[in-house]
Amino acid sequence: KNEVEQSPQNLTAQEGEFITINCSYSVGISALHWLQQHPGGGIVSLFMLSSGKKKHGRLIATINIQEKHSSLHITASHPRDSAVYICAVLVGGAQKLVFGQGTRLTINP
Amino acid sequence: KAGVTQTPRYLIKTRGQQVTLSCSPISGHRSVSWYQQTPGQGLQFLFEYFSETQRNKGNFPGRFSGRQFSNSRSEMNVSTLELGDSALYLCASRRATNEKLFFGSGTQLSVL
Repeated sequence: KNEVEQSPQNLTAQEGEFITINCSYSVGISALHWLQQHPGGGIVSLFMLSSGKKKHGRLIATINIQEKHSSLHITASHPRDSAVYICAVLVGGAQKLVFGQGTRLTINP
Repeated sequence: KAGVTQTPRYLIKTRGQQVTLSCSPISGHRSVSWYQQTPGQGLQFLFEYFSETQRNKGNFPGRFSGRQFSNSRSEMNVSTLELGDSALYLCASRRATNEKLFFGSGTQLSVL
């Protein structure tokens, strides 16, 4: 079993829909990152959080440390949100990043 | 402010050769980390350098090595290349441990 599990693996939605991507982990962490990767490889860090909730524009990330679970929400989704979203945890003691397998999101106009 | 710069963008090598990849971090960022991305394994952590010292290392064989210079630029070296080393190699920089990562565009390595 992977230390970081994302769901769903693939998600297709219509423009304007509310999107939720989930990330569960089984190890102790000091922080969790949400990353976005567009075709062509470029990765952008969306959020880094260790507790609570963060919001940036239409994106919201939450984390529940007790339940070892994080969610990434996209409100009013747009075709330009189509990308692979990757959850990565910074494993506490070792300070190493462990990645989920990614969620491929496609937003149709 | 310039972003993270990786060179070269593409590289083709043959089995048994060695390769050196370069990463220039954002000015002021002292941490540089390296990652391998393949379709089968996804993203995997290789190592991290901070102020010229290797701080962490992933589960890769000793053929994978790196170093960081006093200006924070980092190089990654892979010796005795194998077909399975074909991958996108990404580096990222950050100012401190509890800050966001900034990724370069990556080096696409193909081993023939």
